[in-house]
Parts: sequence; structure tokens; C-alpha cells
Amino acid sequence: SQQGEEDPQALSIQEGENATMNCSYKTSINNLQWYRQNSGRGLVHLILIRSNEREKHSGRLRVTLDTSKKSSSLLITASRAADTASYFCATVANSGNTGKLIFGQGTTLQVKP
Amino acid sequence: DGGITQSPKYLFRKEGQNVTLSCEQNLNHDAMYWYRQDPGQGLRLIYYSQIVNDFQKGDIAEGYSVSREKKESFPLTVTSAQKNPTAFYLCASSLSPYGSPLHFGNGTRLTVT
Repeated sequence: SQQGEEDPQALSIQEGENATMNCSYKTSINNLQWYRQNSGRGLVHLILIRSNEREKHSGRLRVTLDTSKKSSSLLITASRAADTASYFCATVANSGNTGKLIFGQGTTLQVKP
Repeated sequence: DGGITQSPKYLFRKEGQNVTLSCEQNLNHDAMYWYRQDPGQGLRLIYYSQIVNDFQKGDIAEGYSVSREKKESFPLTVTSAQKNPTAFYLCASSLSPYGSPLHFGNGTRLTVT
């Protein structure tokens, strides 16, 4: 069962521009995480935002969470060619205590030099 | 360096054969996971283990089996009962089983013909 849905599915921008990706989910969550995946590689954890937080920053990354709309966004500022990758949101459900992460389908970002 | 090692990177098998994918971690993490990723798709959870000698089915466990005899190791066997085994398989671990960030290996690409 896939909880998160990312939008857009693909995004192409010029180096230096900002990139915004959105994630929507269906059930009440404990936390939401964003990951990056370079082609043919494993995922790398970027940032975790808890359900009682609204915004979080890490370097050029800014994540927001709106639990009333069941949505999150990831903003990458001043993008670089090295940011080219797929980005996934993953949610941890509030119900039960399994702590399983459910991943969305991902947004493929291309940053052109 | 601490991390997760998946081997081999590429694996080719004939239909009807069982195959075992290796996953080893030296992060001293309690929880380990197996995900499957199909082209252009998100990750789907196959099996997870919160502690040694215990594991639970994920969303797509049919045709797969696992064992967790040691904290460091969580091998996945793809059996001949799995209808569409060709995929990219990712192993991950986390410090605690309750929504902690995942650390991923670099995956094994399995092709069954």
C-alpha cells in the first residue's frame, strides 16, 4: 500500500533555480521523511519532520508539513547539476507500532547546467 | 566506515531457480528491511525485522523468504514462486524500528529469464 504521492512526477530546471516537490499522504502520521536516490543507487536520507513540526531546514533544503491538508513540500534552493536525482517522501503511520516507512512514487528532478 | 553492503550488484538467474541476496550491516542497527523497486516506481516493502530471530511480512511478501539469525545479516531469498522477480532490491537498516531514518545499501539488480 503506497501512502505518499509525489507531484510532479518529473521536473526539469536550470542550475541556480529553485525546485519544489510536493507529497500528499492519506493517514495520520508520526513523521515524514524525504530521501534522494541517484540513478542505480540506494536511497539517502535527507530530512525528517515530525507531525508537530511545520517547517524544517537543512542547508539548501526546506521542508514544510501541513497535517490538516496531509501534505508536505521539499524546496531545494539554488539548485546544482549534482541535485539531479529522484526524490521520495516516506511516511510513518501513527497507528500501530510497526514504524514501517511507506514510500511514494518519487519525483525525478533534472537540473541542467 | 559503517554502512550496509549488498551483494552482488547484478544477479542473473533462470526461471524456476531460487536465489539469495545478501545484506550485511555494521551500523549496530536493530531493524532491517527489504524493499523492491520497479522501474519508475517507488519502494514496496517485502519483509522487515525489528530484532534478531524475528521478522514480519511487508506488503508484497509472497514468493520471498528471509532469516535474521544475526543482528548484522538479513538475507532475502527470491523463490521460484515469485511471479515477477526481475527488479531492483534494496536492503536498509535503522537504529530503532519505530520510524527512524533508514540507511540503504546500493542495491542488487536481479534479472530472471
